[in-house]
Amino acid sequence: EPEVTQTPSHQVTQMGQEVILRCVPISNHLYFYWYRQILGQKVEFLVSFYNNEISEKSEIFDDQFSVERPDGSNFTLKIRSTKLEDSAMYFCASSQQREGHEQFFGPGTRLTVL
Amino acid sequence: AQSVTQLDSHVSVSEGTPVLLRCNYSSSYSPSLFWYVQHPNKGLQLLLKYTSAATLVKGINGFEAEFKKSETSFHLTKPSAHMSDAAEYFCVVMDDYKLSFGAGTTVTVRA
Repeated sequence: EPEVTQTPSHQVTQMGQEVILRCVPISNHLYFYWYRQILGQKVEFLVSFYNNEISEKSEIFDDQFSVERPDGSNFTLKIRSTKLEDSAMYFCASSQQREGHEQFFGPGTRLTVL
Repeated sequence: AQSVTQLDSHVSVSEGTPVLLRCNYSSSYSPSLFWYVQHPNKGLQLLLKYTSAATLVKGINGFEAEFKKSETSFHLTKPSAHMSDAAEYFCVVMDDYKLSFGAGTTVTVRA
C-alpha cells in the first residue's frame, strides 16, 4: 500500500540554524500539506501546495518558513532560522483531490530546537 | 471558519466493552468530517470519513460514526474495545480545503 514517508524521524538543532524536513508524498497525489503539533497542543495547519505554488498558508507560516518541490517526488519544508518555539512534530500529508478527500499523513518528524 | 470540539480528553474502557468518543462540530454548511487515529510513534491514520452521503459511516477496525445534523455531532463508537485500540483519536473537519483538528482524545484499554 502506498504511503507518505518523512525524513528524518527526529532532528535536533541549535537555535538560529536552518533545518530542512523532507517528505515523499504518494506518487499520484497532486496536493501537499504540512501540519505541526507542538507537544500538548492541537495539530495545526501550516501550508498547502499545488501545481508548484502555495495555495494556502496559515498565520504560523511566516517568512522563516518555505516549501519546495525540488523534483517529482520530494516535498520539503525549510525553517530558515529556528526558534525554541519551533520545536514540534511536523507532519507531511498528500491528497489526490482537495474537496472532501482524505489526506494521507506521514509518520512525522520530531524537531527539537535547543 | 469551521471547527470541532472533542468533549473528552481521556477515555478509559475495559477490553470487550463499548467505546464512545464524542465530537461536536461548528459549521455554516454541510461539512466533511473525519476521524483519525495516532498510535504511539506512528503517523495519523484515517479511521473513517463523512462527506454528505450516508449519515452512519463505517470505518476500519470496527469503528463507526454517526453524523447528526440536529445535534451537530459526529461521535465515534466501537462495540467492543481491543487492547490495540489504545491510541490518540482526533476528530477533524475540512475547513476551506485544509484540516482543522480537535484537541484529541486519549483512549486507554484495561485488560
